[in-house]
Amino acid sequence: SQKIEQNSEALNIQEGKTATLTCNYTNYSPAYLQWYRQDPGRGPVFLLLIRENEKEKRKERLKVTFDTTLKQSLFHITASQPADSATYLCALDGPGNTGKLIFGQGTTLQVKP
Amino acid sequence: DAGVTQSPTHLIKTRGQQVTLRCSPKSGHDTVSWYQQALGQGPQFIFQYYEEEERQRGNFPDRFSGHQFPNYSSELNVNALLLGDSALYLCASSLDEKLFFGSGTQLSVL
Repeated sequence: SQKIEQNSEALNIQEGKTATLTCNYTNYSPAYLQWYRQDPGRGPVFLLLIRENEKEKRKERLKVTFDTTLKQSLFHITASQPADSATYLCALDGPGNTGKLIFGQGTTLQVKP
Repeated sequence: DAGVTQSPTHLIKTRGQQVTLRCSPKSGHDTVSWYQQALGQGPQFIFQYYEEEERQRGNFPDRFSGHQFPNYSSELNVNALLLGDSALYLCASSLDEKLFFGSGTQLSVL
């Protein structure tokens, strides 16, 4: 079955630095991959979607890469701010393009001032 | 424009009881998905409803059932509650691949 792995350890960085989060997957070739942000006690919020034929996508301070050979996505936040502190979830579509999303366990990012 | 709303926000039940959770999708969205999120884990897909039919189902027992109404709102029912059903239950609505989540219902089973 499909498996998604994100860094289970929290990532602590200094304000202004670039945060890089990793998402690896196995046993599947998704048509697209998404990244969500989740704050404590809230539902996830959609950030970016990248398709299998796209290498990179940007939105403001966010950048996502998608390497279908390595089966890996990297999520970058440049010029990080304390307000970026949250848990970031990667998700890929299930087999058959059904709209079912499979989520990783999330990586918690802490940006210190 | 109201986003996805879920009720109740918190619920405490005892083992063996039944529970119904409710979800109103974002305006204009016709597809509703339900997810279960245990503490420290990512959301796990329960099922998805479109046009009042269950379109997809995850690896959850038949104790978990749902319904979608003509106005696209949805309910999640869980029968014979177990301690392990304690989790945050998230509803998400969509028109395309992007999901819009509600804040969830925190269910505690004692």
